[in-house]
Amino acid sequence: DTEVTQTPKHLVMGMTNKKSLKCEQHMGHRAMYWYKQKAKKPPELMFVYSYEKLSINESVPSRFSPECPNSSLLNLHLHALQPEDSALYLCASSRTVNTGELFFGEGSRLTVL
Amino acid sequence: GESVGLHLPTLSVQEGDNSIINCAYSNSASDYFIWYKQESGKGPQFIIDIRSNMDKRQGQRVTVLLNKTVKHLSLQIAATQPGDSAVYFCAENIRGADGLTFGKGTHLIIQP
Repeated sequence: DTEVTQTPKHLVMGMTNKKSLKCEQHMGHRAMYWYKQKAKKPPELMFVYSYEKLSINESVPSRFSPECPNSSLLNLHLHALQPEDSALYLCASSRTVNTGELFFGEGSRLTVL
Repeated sequence: GESVGLHLPTLSVQEGDNSIINCAYSNSASDYFIWYKQESGKGPQFIIDIRSNMDKRQGQRVTVLLNKTVKHLSLQIAATQPGDSAVYFCAENIRGADGLTFGKGTHLIIQP
């Protein structure tokens, strides 16, 4: 199994809603990542987890809250988002943080109304 | 701003020709570079990587060249096929840091 699975594929939420994005991998990878990608732009790193511990938080607003319940799962909790947060949210995993070979999911497309 | 960037937003090539996609970086602390391919509606897919102690690396139909003197790397795709149509990103890992920083993409268009 070389897949990273993200759910939901599409999400529409209001600015007062609370929702979560989920990511799962069963490759035994110990590094997991959240990236944000706006249309026609490169992915931007948000969070890095290494061995279930948060190692990087790239100055992301607190309305985004990551969680790594175990080595296979990664969540991104969303609360009080703004319309400019609408984007494709990509989850990725890698064997460790020391490799550049990341395996990406297909992303969750978020629209904030 | 971004350390890694690409010279051209769009590259159009004839099917069967070779494609060359360029990337410049500015951070001297970058020591590991990776090329990704992103097809429409999909997440980025790893193509090939190169560390700073090398200047060339070859894969299947792809070659990455690294010129540390001018802080430039390129991705060469041999005998370009319709399935190569995608946006290509170079990414860098800065020494001691976790995660990758992606540069602006180049959209490769294949002409029949």
